[in-house]
Amino acid sequence: EPEVTQTPSHQVTQMGQEVILRCVPISNHLYFYWYRQILGQKVEFLVSFYNNEISEKSEIFDDQFSVERPDGSNFTLKIRSTKLEDSAMYFCASSEKIGRMAEAFFGQGTRLTVV
Amino acid sequence: SQQGEEDPQALSIQEGENATMNCSYKTSINNLQWYRQNSGRGLVHLILIRSNEREKHSGRLRVTLDTSKKSSSLLITASRAADTASYFCATRSGGSNYKLTFGKGTLLTVNP
Repeated sequence: EPEVTQTPSHQVTQMGQEVILRCVPISNHLYFYWYRQILGQKVEFLVSFYNNEISEKSEIFDDQFSVERPDGSNFTLKIRSTKLEDSAMYFCASSEKIGRMAEAFFGQGTRLTVV
Repeated sequence: SQQGEEDPQALSIQEGENATMNCSYKTSINNLQWYRQNSGRGLVHLILIRSNEREKHSGRLRVTLDTSKKSSSLLITASRAADTASYFCATRSGGSNYKLTFGKGTLLTVNP
C-alpha cells in the first residue's frame, strides 16, 4: 500500500543550526502538507503546498520556515535557525485531491530535538 | 473549548469491551475525520464523515455526527489490545480547503 515516508526518523540539532526534514509523498498525490506536534500538545497545521507554491500557511510558519519540492518526488521543510521551541514531531502529509472530502495520508514523522 | 476537543482525555478498558470517544467543535465544518496514533508513530486515517451524514461504519468503527450539537463520537466495538493508541478528531472548516484542525486526543488503553 502506498505510504508517505519521512527521513530521518529522529534528528538532534544544536540551537541556531539549520535543519531540513525530508518527505516522499505518495506518488500520484498533488497536495502536500507539514504539521507538527509538540510533546503533549495538539497536532498543528504549518503549511500546504500545491503546484510549486504555498497554498496556505499558519501563523507558526514564519520566515524561519520554508518548503520546497526540489524534484519530482521529495518535499522538504527547512528551518533556518532552530530554536529550542522548535523541538517537536513533524509530520508530512499528502492528498490526491483537495477540498472538503480530501483524505490526507500522514507519514511516520520526524522527531526533531533542538539542544 | 477549542475546535476539536476530545473527551475523555484517557480511557482504560478491558479487551472485548466497547470504547466510546467524543469530540466537540466550535465552528461549522465540512467534514470531520478521526485518526489514530500509536505511541511515537504517525497518524493513521480511520474514517471521514461528511457534515450531511449522521452515522458511518467501517469494520469495528462507528462514527456519529451531530451538527446541531457540534459533536461527534467514535465507537470501537469488541476492542483489542492492538487498539491501544491515541485517537484524534480533526475538522476541516469552511474557510480552508487545506488545513485540518486537530483535537488533543483521547489516549485509549485496552488491557488484555
